[in-house]
Amino acid sequence: GAGVSQSPSNKVTEKGKDVELRCDPISGHTALYWYRQSLGQGLEFLIYFQGNSAPDKSGLPSDRFSAERTGGSVSTLTIQRTQQEDSAVYLCASSFDRGANEKLFFGSGTQLSVL
Amino acid sequence: TQLLEQSPQFLSIQEGENLTVYCNSSSVFSSLQWYRQEPGEGPVLLVTVVTGGEVKKLKRLTFQFGDARKDSSLHITAAQPGDTGLYLCAGRNVTGANSKLTFGKGITLSVRP
Repeated sequence: GAGVSQSPSNKVTEKGKDVELRCDPISGHTALYWYRQSLGQGLEFLIYFQGNSAPDKSGLPSDRFSAERTGGSVSTLTIQRTQQEDSAVYLCASSFDRGANEKLFFGSGTQLSVL
Repeated sequence: TQLLEQSPQFLSIQEGENLTVYCNSSSVFSSLQWYRQEPGEGPVLLVTVVTGGEVKKLKRLTFQFGDARKDSSLHITAAQPGDTGLYLCAGRNVTGANSKLTFGKGITLSVRP
């Protein structure tokens, strides 16, 4: 596609339920990132993929959070037993070239609301 | 943890005014980026600065990287309502092929017609 696509754009769930968020990066982009953005906060790094492997998972807040990437393309972020503090916008970004001049292309995000 | 402090947090100005906003850290960065984010959208990259003291211009926007590569400023000349948005700075640390961007909390700019 022309840009990074995320689905769903909005997700409302009940506390304790599991949710899956999907990211389709730009074709050919090998690096993929997940960030979380809460109201009044900056972007909080969650996880980084290079191809299908995740060299850096240091930002995942707890073991309720997991992510995978298959075929070097689509990625899924899963949150198990959701809590109200998980409510935020989850942003995915992809890039082609690592290094100081790396340019991240962001999707429009998934707004997650946990009731 | 490398922290980026952005100031001011909120800014509301009249169309045609000039403004400068800041991004500061105690850490040295190999590069620093500025993004603009509009409601309901993801951030969009405006500029990357790499060299200490570097100045880059993008139409009415002027970006400067501090000599010590710890801070940056964004100056907007004759602001327009279309400049309204959240401005995020992001720094990349100096070591590691797997280094990641650290984002500030952003500056919310509102330009009134």
